[in-house]
Amino acid sequence: SQTIHQWPATLVQPVGSPLSLECTVEGTSNPNLYWYRQAAGRGLQLLFYSVGIGQISSEVPQNLSASRPQDRQFILSSKKLLLSDSGFYLCAWSTRGQGRTEAFFGQGTRLTVV
Amino acid sequence: GQNIDQPTEMTATEGAIVQINCTYQTSGFNGLFWYQQHAGEAPTFLSYNVLDGLEEKGRFSSFLSRSKGYSYLLLKELQMKDSASYLCAAPNSGGYQKVTFGTGTKLQVIP
Repeated sequence: SQTIHQWPATLVQPVGSPLSLECTVEGTSNPNLYWYRQAAGRGLQLLFYSVGIGQISSEVPQNLSASRPQDRQFILSSKKLLLSDSGFYLCAWSTRGQGRTEAFFGQGTRLTVV
Repeated sequence: GQNIDQPTEMTATEGAIVQINCTYQTSGFNGLFWYQQHAGEAPTFLSYNVLDGLEEKGRFSSFLSRSKGYSYLLLKELQMKDSASYLCAAPNSGGYQKVTFGTGTKLQVIP
């Protein structure tokens, strides 16, 4: 069966510090991978998605970046965090192709920038 | 582009039936998802509709009308544990399966 691991679960970081959130998927190959952010009381905002190793598409201009060094590894990074980067970050994967390709989410990382 | 609208909050009584509506505008159509998200947790998949009509799955049902750009999630025999946000989501019609989520409807079930 497929599983998705995301860590850490919670993180408190000072403004200006770097960020690295990691996500790995097991039990599937060539998944589409996604990073979403959810601000308090808001919907899910797609930040990045990837359809393959080294292929990253950015949906929202920001000081965050993403990388996919391996097929089932997706990393969200920042060189200098801003207060506005606080939120609930969710990694997700889905299978390729058309039709029913629901997203499976990791447990999420609650990031607080202080 | 894609646009999804759903009510922000709803309240319903334990044991009752509640209908959560969603309207969408998408560039192409590739189905519609409903997810449940409990506070502080990740969303979990509930249903997927690609054809018009009602899909029933236990206490939860989802309806789709493609011509109207409209869907609803129907929850029967409400339980306290159904208190959660319900997210309507639509993938694009391209090959990347980018999914646009609505802001979610926060449902509170009261005794």
